Amino acid sequence: NAGVTQNPKFQVLKTGQSMTLQCAQDMNHNSMYWYRQDPGMGLRLIYYSASEGTTDKGEVPNGYNVSRLNKREFSLRLESAAPSQTSVYFCASSFFRLAGANTGELFFGEGSRLTVL
Amino acid sequence: KNEVEQSPQNLTAQEGEFITINCSYSVGISALHWLQQHPGGGIVSLFMLSSGKKKHGRLIATINIQEKHSSLHITASHPRDSAVYICAVSGYSGGGADGLTFGKGTHLIIQP
Repeated sequence: NAGVTQNPKFQVLKTGQSMTLQCAQDMNHNSMYWYRQDPGMGLRLIYYSASEGTTDKGEVPNGYNVSRLNKREFSLRLESAAPSQTSVYFCASSFFRLAGANTGELFFGEGSRLTVL
Repeated sequence: KNEVEQSPQNLTAQEGEFITINCSYSVGISALHWLQQHPGGGIVSLFMLSSGKKKHGRLIATINIQEKHSSLHITASHPRDSAVYICAVSGYSGGGADGLTFGKGTHLIIQP
């Protein structure tokens, strides 16, 4: 089935531990993103990758690193987890064509709920 | 940075009612997206539009570029429409992630 797959779905960490969130898409999209969603804050961009081999910081990149392993995969790493990183993380991928009649696709993964104690 | 405001924040209605959710933004955009998120669930893209109007089933999305405003309408609402509806806008930097700014969402409850 086409879509965005995230793993793990749930994770509990202790402060200072590290972990990697995995994301893969099978729609041949160039762009991939990592967002976090917190109550009352809406979705906020952590990092994005406009194409294979490139990554850029978003609105809230501190404490995170990313790796665009290939066109399909975009991982998010927490090197030393902090309680402030307790959140729901969403990976997304997209294709946009803005010339003429704007068209595009935007797909989200199911989310990864992370708790840092 | 674009500011995206949605209203209302919360909306409770009876089954069958016509629903309108509004979104306004502060800076010109290349496209606007409407997303749906069910409780505890993932996020689904409903519409991407840059002008005019789009319709999918009972859902209608309109955008007025001059007024920097979009509306999402639900006709003949049903309890399964209960979800959070999120407006997001793309800037002119290619429409990708670097230009995507989200509203805080509208929490809709449709009672039977």
